[in-house]
Amino acid sequence: SYELTQPPSVSVSPGQTARITCSGDTLPKQYTYWYQQKPGQVPVLVIYKDTERPSGIPERFSGSSSGTTVTLTISGVQAEDEADYYCQSADSSGTSVFGGGTKLTVL
Amino acid sequence: EVQLLESGGGLVQPGGSLRLSCTASGFTFSTYAMSWVRQAPGKGLEWVSAISDSGGGTYYADSVKGRFTFSRDNSKNTLYLQMNSLRAEDTAIYYCAKRLDAAATLGGFDYWGQGTLVTVSS
Repeated sequence: SYELTQPPSVSVSPGQTARITCSGDTLPKQYTYWYQQKPGQVPVLVIYKDTERPSGIPERFSGSSSGTTVTLTISGVQAEDEADYYCQSADSSGTSVFGGGTKLTVL
Repeated sequence: EVQLLESGGGLVQPGGSLRLSCTASGFTFSTYAMSWVRQAPGKGLEWVSAISDSGGGTYYADSVKGRFTFSRDNSKNTLYLQMNSLRAEDTAIYYCAKRLDAAATLGGFDYWGQGTLVTVSS
């Protein structure tokens, strides 16, 4: 099995840019997906295939990839973006894995 | 509208068994691989298992391998997760989730059910 590593927490003020990283050895070979989960709610896909944004997700959410690290960037953070964020990827054996999650706090 | 509805959760003693179901609607069920993802109270997401669109391929996390069995009935648009030899650490909300891409065994999840709570305790 393999692991994806995320920082436990990130804090930003409203209007600033939040960057949440996810690191893993398999990331150069497999796509990464990002989910937002607010308390008591179901996870929502916010970025797929490293950089693509599903319909209905605000443009301030973007993704990028460099080597073994992928980054979720939220530009112009709003209070409603406060949530837990998880990265997810897979390996060629058919198994998937989630990162440990990052709690985004909007100060 | 895509809908996923899990059922079958509840309280079970350690060593016991439980079968979860997930009924899908709003998409061509037989063309999508599906997964179970769980979340222990106050903890992060953990991928549990995946099944191919036909049901011919199944994949498991090491933590459940040999104890859980994932199956599907495409004629009923339903998934099943048979959980045996349950342990306290299996306590979690269990979500079924739909793959983003048709026929893709790997990838992300674009729709999730509301989840069903499994509690393993004596």
